[in-house]
Amino acid sequence: GDSVTQMEGPVTLSEEAFLTINCTYTATGYPSLFWYVQYPGEGLQLLLKATKADDKGSNKGFEATYRKETTSFHLEKGSVQVSDSAVYFCALSMNTGFQKLVFGTGTRLLVSP
Amino acid sequence: NAGVTQTPKFRVLKTGQSMTLLCAQDMNHEYMYWYRQDPGMGLRLIHYSVGEGTTAKGEVPDGYNVSRLKKQNFLLGLESAAPSQTSVYFCASSYSVTGGPNQPQHFGDGTRLSIL
Repeated sequence: GDSVTQMEGPVTLSEEAFLTINCTYTATGYPSLFWYVQYPGEGLQLLLKATKADDKGSNKGFEATYRKETTSFHLEKGSVQVSDSAVYFCALSMNTGFQKLVFGTGTRLLVSP
Repeated sequence: NAGVTQTPKFRVLKTGQSMTLLCAQDMNHEYMYWYRQDPGMGLRLIHYSVGEGTTAKGEVPDGYNVSRLKKQNFLLGLESAAPSQTSVYFCASSYSVTGGPNQPQHFGDGTRLSIL
């Protein structure tokens, strides 16, 4: 079945460091891809999305590019802040009928001053 | 707007007890979902609803029932709680595909449930 694999955390960085969180997927068709973020004590929020190959999603300084050839959707940010500390989930949705989200296991990011 | 509101936020149950988790959304969304979040497993879909009066099974439906009597509410029931149901439960809602593809899901803040 469809699945998403994320790098295990936690990822620990100093403020202003460069961030990469790896995400790869397995799907029978051509899914849409998402990054959701979960801040402590809160539910998930959509961070960015891409709906077709070579699309780049971006929001709040975060970026991810849909790479069909490597089935990847890695999350990047050039300079992280303490306020970016959260759990990040990669997810996919097949573009047919009911749009069920398949989530990765999440990657915790800890940013220190 | 309140968005998606879940009640209660915390609950401790004994094995065999029953309870209902309530989810309410004020965004007029057609679709609603219940997930459970467990360490190292991400979020898994329990049940979902594509409209008032309709429900369907997700990935891990056993031991749970749901009802969607009103468009804005989606109830998750545990008839006989088991320790394996200790988890954090999230409700989400979204527009249907008629509003365009890939509608984002909006999540509540979760209910932390412990079964002793």
